[in-house]
Amino acid sequence: DAMVIQNPRYQVTQFGKPVTLSCSQTLNHNVMYWYQQKSSQAPKLLFHYYDKDFNNEADTPDNFQSRRPNTSFCFLDIRSPGLGDAAMYLCATSRDGLAGINEQFFGPGTRLTVL
Amino acid sequence: SQQGEEDPQALSIQEGENATMNCSYKTSINNLQWYRQNSGRGLVHLILIRSNEREKHSGRLRVTLDTSKKSSSLLITASRAADTASYFCATVVNEKLTFGTGTRLTIIP
Repeated sequence: DAMVIQNPRYQVTQFGKPVTLSCSQTLNHNVMYWYQQKSSQAPKLLFHYYDKDFNNEADTPDNFQSRRPNTSFCFLDIRSPGLGDAAMYLCATSRDGLAGINEQFFGPGTRLTVL
Repeated sequence: SQQGEEDPQALSIQEGENATMNCSYKTSINNLQWYRQNSGRGLVHLILIRSNEREKHSGRLRVTLDTSKKSSSLLITASRAADTASYFCATVVNEKLTFGTGTRLTIIP
């Protein structure tokens, strides 16, 4: 089945130790997104790629970076995780832009714990 | 902020009853989408309604959109235990999807 896959599902890191979260998709969608969701809150968009074009949200901290080496994969790098970065990180895709009738397809998320 | 506000924040009903959740937003939108999230999992798209549409149905779901009031509602009929989840409305403005605060729905068997 076509899907969005996130690895690992659970990630534990130490304060200040770089960590990379992975997302892959078999949908061949043009757009890939990263969201941060803290407990009992709405998902918050960090950035997205439209094909190879990177679009950063204005309030995304510099500590968060992303790479999309090809259509299928997208990575979230947290350079120096702080305690406040503990959250669920959700990857999503859409076939094209969202202004029309395109929906987003979400992966199961990676829950990040920072010790 | 374009973020939608959802009402109520939490809702508990008996299995078989109907559940209604409301969403309000602040500016003109391209479309509005509803998503479901089971505890600790990713989100699942439920339904999309475009700004020129007023009502859409999908199975037991009914969504309405009132652009003059900048509000939408999601009705789930004949609720089931499996409907227990958080429900988020999300508005699309200029290609960006922004989620509302969510409603936590609990179906009591």
